[in-house]
Amino acid sequence: GAGVSQSPRYKVAKRGQDVALRCDPISGHVSLFWYQQALGQGPEFLTYFQNEAQLDKSGLPSDRFFAERPEGSVSTLKIQRTQQEDSAVYLCASSSDRGQQETQYFGPGTRLLVL
Amino acid sequence: GQNIDQPTEMTATEGAIVQINCTYQTSGFNGLFWYQQHAGEAPTFLSYNVLDGLEEKGRFSSFLSRSKGYSYLLLKELQMKDSASYLCAVRGGSYIPTFGRGTSLIVHP
Repeated sequence: GAGVSQSPRYKVAKRGQDVALRCDPISGHVSLFWYQQALGQGPEFLTYFQNEAQLDKSGLPSDRFFAERPEGSVSTLKIQRTQQEDSAVYLCASSSDRGQQETQYFGPGTRLLVL
Repeated sequence: GQNIDQPTEMTATEGAIVQINCTYQTSGFNGLFWYQQHAGEAPTFLSYNVLDGLEEKGRFSSFLSRSKGYSYLLLKELQMKDSASYLCAVRGGSYIPTFGRGTSLIVHP
């Protein structure tokens, strides 16, 4: 079946531009996570949704970062007034919340470069 | 908070066995995951441990000791394609996994 998809795969933005990153989770998956991964580092948690409810946004680095999942499926991560330090890979993951294991399935990521 | 520690880099020979260690300190514990991540690709799930002991899955095995805050991933019969980053992730009391920085494994002929 289809996995998690993300778009765009690559994004180059000028400093100060706003960007929007899209995540399509696996159909029927309740939980959706956004992570930021810098080069040579592990994924850092940004925010978590259960259906349309944003239950945890403690990882968002500043108020320039905003995420939504209005209908409980597709999610968008928006970064306003991008800065060079925002350059990273943004990973989306979803999980079914069925059973104890609750494995996260990751999308291919969006590689953001801010010039 | 949570702290996860794993070696930055390891090298091994094709056909050999390698053990990648992960130590953690968490507030609460609800499972430990290992993921494989090839350069430029998404992490892919390898294993999940929530109880003490060894979980075996083909060439890969994962061990957990909750009392010691310790896990390892064992890779047998190494192949060149196993060259990748291996991420240890711990799910604490919040049920949100926290990832270590990853161990870059280089397999050489």
